[in-house]
Amino acid sequence: QKEVEQNSGPLSVPEGAIASLNCTYSDRGSQSFFWYRQYSGKSPELIMSIYSNGDKEDGRFTAQLNKASQYVSLLIRDSQPSDSATYLCAVTISGSARQLTFGSGTQLTVLP
Amino acid sequence: GAVVSQHPSRVICKSGTSVKIECRSLDFQATTMFWYRQFPKKSLMLMATSNEGSKATYEQGVEKDKFLINHASLTLSTLTVTSAHPEDSSFYICSARDVSQGTSSTPLHFGNGTRLTVT
Repeated sequence: QKEVEQNSGPLSVPEGAIASLNCTYSDRGSQSFFWYRQYSGKSPELIMSIYSNGDKEDGRFTAQLNKASQYVSLLIRDSQPSDSATYLCAVTISGSARQLTFGSGTQLTVLP
Repeated sequence: GAVVSQHPSRVICKSGTSVKIECRSLDFQATTMFWYRQFPKKSLMLMATSNEGSKATYEQGVEKDKFLINHASLTLSTLTVTSAHPEDSSFYICSARDVSQGTSSTPLHFGNGTRLTVT
């Protein structure tokens, strides 16, 4: 079983719509959760971090965490073509020297 | 915010040669840096954890004699791909965490990556 799972997509949404990206993880001891955005040929950039259950909003982005269900999501409101990228979910794995494990990423395309 | 500088951004080398990639934390000290490799349309795969003042920790399946890591100071880690082969062609990315801001809950900051092409 993969430690961090994401739907690979591609996920296509029209401009202005809400894009919903999902991630599940296997380690109940995980404490920190991150969403990174990666444009093609570029390195990942951090867009959201979340550490406790509930919602965390930052501009058009909302991260949602449910530790009981081992689920973390990212909502992008008013999606723009510039949001088209691969979104990586990353989770700290308890007891692991690797400290951060990435999902395979979800490719998002926002259609103008 | 924390900045991680990686150099070079692109390198093309001939099979059998060695390539060195540098990773620097510009405005913070990093006792630990992480080296990732990413193949096209795949996620980041951790290769090794670079520890200042001690040996690097390699992930299973990563040859430590092929991917030499040196963490010379609190702001510099280098990855040397020795005797490169075409199958080593990939996108290599380093990252670091500003531990002065916390512990493992602090996000990783990534360098801009190095596109290695071995001909």
